[in-house]
Amino acid sequence: EAGVAQSPRYKIIEKRQSVAFWCNPISGHATLYWYQQILGQGPKLLIQFQNNGVVDDSQLPKDRFSAERLKGVDSTLKIQPAKLEDSAVYLCASRYTGTGTSGPHNEQFFGPGTRLTVL
Amino acid sequence: AQSVTQPDIHITVSEGASLELRCNYSYGATPYLFWYVQSPGQGLQLLLKYFSGDTLVQGIKGFEAEFKRSQSSFNLRKPSVHWSDAAEYFCAVGGYNNAGNMLTFGGGTRLMVKP
Repeated sequence: EAGVAQSPRYKIIEKRQSVAFWCNPISGHATLYWYQQILGQGPKLLIQFQNNGVVDDSQLPKDRFSAERLKGVDSTLKIQPAKLEDSAVYLCASRYTGTGTSGPHNEQFFGPGTRLTVL
Repeated sequence: AQSVTQPDIHITVSEGASLELRCNYSYGATPYLFWYVQSPGQGLQLLLKYFSGDTLVQGIKGFEAEFKRSQSSFNLRKPSVHWSDAAEYFCAVGGYNNAGNMLTFGGGTRLMVKP
């Protein structure tokens, strides 16, 4: 079974530039998450999708960050314009949501992440 | 609000020695608890999880963890550490947001293994 795919793996930009990250979840996983992991910290949830709908974006800085999952499969996360403090690893995760599998104990599968450096 | 504390930022152990990584959580209901490992340049891999039943949970790679409700702890243990265990370890508590599922992570513990 293929895992969660993310690209690019690394990105270096200057502040005020724009950047986009792509995520392809595990096939059949309806729930998709984007996390931000700043160096030395644990991952922090930015946004959660259920199929193609946003169900939680309470921690997403909406003035500069946006995300979409138009067809309920792939997702993109965009930052426009980037700030120095956006330097972090952006992790995508997915989770199967089906009969008998509901609940927070079900595993989230993580991609390798995109390491963003803003200069 | 749920939260997780990992008191040890760095731990160094000798290869073959035993290991215990601490995790304390705060959650208003029955917690769902996880340990993930992250190797350099890699995503997070689930080591083990607890959501009910036996409070001693076995995971992959020889790891185990014990849930202690009275201490709000979920410490990770391994009897004999291998050099390949050097990585960062994250404890997480699973709870509900308006979407029904979310993870809150601790700050992580970086494990170094001496030969």
